[in-house]
Amino acid sequence: QVQLQESGPGLVKPSETLSLTCSVSGDSISGYYWSWIRQPPGKGLEWIGYIYYLGSTNYNPSLKSRVTMSVDTSNNQFSLKLSSVTAADTAVYYCARYDSRKQLDYWGQGTLVTVSS
Amino acid sequence: DIQLTQSPSFLSASVGDRVTITCRASQVLNTYLAWYQQKPGKAPKLLIYGASTLQSGVPSRFSGSGSGTEITLTISSLQPEDFATYYCQQLNRYHLTFGGGTKVEIK
Repeated sequence: QVQLQESGPGLVKPSETLSLTCSVSGDSISGYYWSWIRQPPGKGLEWIGYIYYLGSTNYNPSLKSRVTMSVDTSNNQFSLKLSSVTAADTAVYYCARYDSRKQLDYWGQGTLVTVSS
Repeated sequence: DIQLTQSPSFLSASVGDRVTITCRASQVLNTYLAWYQQKPGKAPKLLIYGASTLQSGVPSRFSGSGSGTEITLTISSLQPEDFATYYCQQLNRYHLTFGGGTKVEIK
């Protein structure tokens, strides 16, 4: 059973960079795409982007200028960096596995990141 | 990018009711589609992919159908554990998009 776990600071100051890591267990990170999705409190889901295990990426155009994703196959992890954050970036951030047939089939439990001074 | 509009955005129903949620797209949809269920404080859970294929372990009262610019999620007999928010999602030109969600509450 594939399991994903997000980790990172729960509080980030405005204008700083949000950094999260997703640790994957139960299967190798190789061979798949890995995605980040966020959900502001009380609102719907927003796709941030995904990264292939070899490192190629695709980002949501609305966030592209501020997003960087990376993958660490040796540690079975992938990461998200979102720069120049504002209060609008406050959300629960989820990592998930993207399968071209099944779409987002495994999800982490999510981690709340609050942007506040 | 394709826009997905779910209707209704809120639905009040009773246990045993048949429930249908619609997801309309701004362009013709491909087969890279899915429906998710999300309960409060939990991550979304994949229910259906490819518009109509049930994910392993999902009860058969859930079904998906549709093509073109409209897909639907049907719950044939609503159970207490089905009260949740449901999202459609699609992949187009390498970008994923979610619908705005449909909250199903107890009448």
